[in-house]
Amino acid sequence: SQQGEEDPQALSIQEGENATMNCSYKTSINNLQWYRQNSGRGLVHLILIRSNEREKHSGRLRVTLDTSKKSSSLLITASRAADTASYFCATGKGEGQNFVFGPGTRLSVLP
Amino acid sequence: DGGITQSPKYLFRKEGQNVTLSCEQNLNHDAMYWYRQDPGQGLRLIYYSQIVNDFQKGDIAEGYSVSREKKESFPLTVTSAQKNPTAFYLCASSPRWRGRNEQFFGPGTRLTVL
Repeated sequence: SQQGEEDPQALSIQEGENATMNCSYKTSINNLQWYRQNSGRGLVHLILIRSNEREKHSGRLRVTLDTSKKSSSLLITASRAADTASYFCATGKGEGQNFVFGPGTRLSVLP
Repeated sequence: DGGITQSPKYLFRKEGQNVTLSCEQNLNHDAMYWYRQDPGQGLRLIYYSQIVNDFQKGDIAEGYSVSREKKESFPLTVTSAQKNPTAFYLCASSPRWRGRNEQFFGPGTRLTVL
């Protein structure tokens, strides 16, 4: 299985601190995506990083990808209470292929 | 929620009944997906469709059925054969062109079997 596995399962930080979540996977991938899910809602796409990219930024988000270690990290800088959510990584082998979602990291940002 | 609607938001079913969950998108996306999410868990793929009139089983298709008669619509039927149907069901769509394959999710339907 190429399932992504997020780590840690749960993370609690104070507002203003940085939050780092990791994702490991088992087989080669074409791209990796991060999604956010607020409680009881659908998932929202955050960022996509392709296998030939090492780092990508979007606002307060920074994603890295290390294909040699089959791992990715999501960094949220200067966290806010509104960042409280579950974060999932999804790995894809390319167009025409489906994604496999990991179990997620539950992030709590305390005011 | 990205132009994808799911209805109803909450659904209650008695054991032995079939129920159909609606998913509609106005994003002109070719691909559509159904996922199941259990409390504190990730998403598991039930069925997916890459084009109209075609669909494929995902990892946990047993007890579920789908149809894709229109590009905009991908309804999911939870049959009485599904042994543990209580869960949160998410529908998604994807453009699948020019290398873009991020998924856009609906708000979900929470199904409870009484």
